Amino acid sequence: DQQVKQNSPSLSVQEGRISILNCDYTNSMFDYFLWYKKYPAEGPTFLISISSIKDKNEDGRFTVFLNKSAKHLSLHIVPSQPGDSAVYFCAASAIPGGGNKLTFGTGTQLKVEL
Amino acid sequence: KAGVTQTPRYLIKTRGQQVTLSCSPISGHRSVSWYQQTPGQGLQFLFEYFSETQRNKGNFPGRFSGRQFSNSRSEMNVSTLELGDSALYLCASSSYAGMNTEAFFGQGTRLTVV
Repeated sequence: DQQVKQNSPSLSVQEGRISILNCDYTNSMFDYFLWYKKYPAEGPTFLISISSIKDKNEDGRFTVFLNKSAKHLSLHIVPSQPGDSAVYFCAASAIPGGGNKLTFGTGTQLKVEL
Repeated sequence: KAGVTQTPRYLIKTRGQQVTLSCSPISGHRSVSWYQQTPGQGLQFLFEYFSETQRNKGNFPGRFSGRQFSNSRSEMNVSTLELGDSALYLCASSSYAGMNTEAFFGQGTRLTVV
């Protein structure tokens, strides 16, 4: 049962344009969401997070949007840069009051082309 | 400050053997979680330790176990290795136990079972 889904296994965008990565979830108990970037043979690198009490969070070129009613979140990268090429994972947490157990999506391979 | 350190980076073991992986969290972080990444299953949660106690556990067989020491360092053990245990094992540390926080990952240990 895949509780966090990233339906696009890959995405290709041009340098300077916007990259939009999508994530859907099914567990209504999820209350905290994170995006990670991962290069091959390395651990995921934390990018940005959002609590379920918010619908938007920004950090530099990265913005995460959360639509709780649709159980959908998205990561916007503007402008996209070649160094952004990596696999992006959406993750969710459902342990109120403590605990760190992340449920990950299957990832989206982003390729930013010159 | 130093990041999450995992040792060893690479390991080759034979079926039936056991293996111990080590993780040193970011200084001051008390929560350590372990994840398994495989091409077929993606990133899956194994277990989480906080203050030397296992706080959360994923759906893995009892061959997978772990522990945490008083200095927050953690070890993961897999007994009676199977070919399907070949994976990238990732450790993540988090700073605060009372609410959702970002998890920071190490580089991982690549385990190959032959």
